[in-house]
Amino acid sequence: AQSVAQPEDQVNVAEGNPLTVKCTYSVSGNPYLFWYVQYPNRGLQFLLKYITGDNLVKGSYGFEAEFNKSQTSFHLKKPSALVSDSALYFCAVRDPGTASKLTFGTGTRLQVTL
Amino acid sequence: ETGVTQTPRHLVMGMTNKKSLKCEQHLGHNAMYWYKQSAKKPLELMFVYSLEERVENNSVPSRFSPECPNSSHLFLHLHTLQPEDSALYLCASSPGTSGRGETQYFGPGTRLLVL
Repeated sequence: AQSVAQPEDQVNVAEGNPLTVKCTYSVSGNPYLFWYVQYPNRGLQFLLKYITGDNLVKGSYGFEAEFNKSQTSFHLKKPSALVSDSALYFCAVRDPGTASKLTFGTGTRLQVTL
Repeated sequence: ETGVTQTPRHLVMGMTNKKSLKCEQHLGHNAMYWYKQSAKKPLELMFVYSLEERVENNSVPSRFSPECPNSSHLFLHLHTLQPEDSALYLCASSPGTSGRGETQYFGPGTRLLVL
């Protein structure tokens, strides 16, 4: 069975500093990995995904994520955080063998302060 | 976010009421999904429809009844709900269900409170 772990309930960062939101996964084959962001009272917005190829994936709003197969991780990063990045971030994994099922983590709340 | 719309955005209902949630996607996708989001829990996949045919039903109680009349519309009919069913219900769509790494696009959700 596939699973996702987001070990931090909350990450606090000062504006202008780099941020990292951690995600590890478990699947039986090669994974498809996704990051979504959720702002208050909104649905999930797609940020980026890894399917194959370059391990560093660039997405929306200056976010990027690095796929590390040996560590089964897909951490979300941004070189310089903004207060407006404060939101709930979800990592998700899809096992290519499961046609429709995306498994989500519990989410990490990012708080960026001035 | 305007690609997937959901109505109503907020709903309060008693345990004996019957109500329906509506989802519409304007992306030309063939697959639609219902998820339940509860506080401090991972998103729970409830139902998956592909080309109007239900392809997945994740052991959801029968008090939740989905309907997909066409590939652009998805409903979730609710009856005799319990207070623990209070949650944010999210609709999503994707181009299909069997392609490589297809992205799911979400609506804004319906915040449901069952009294």
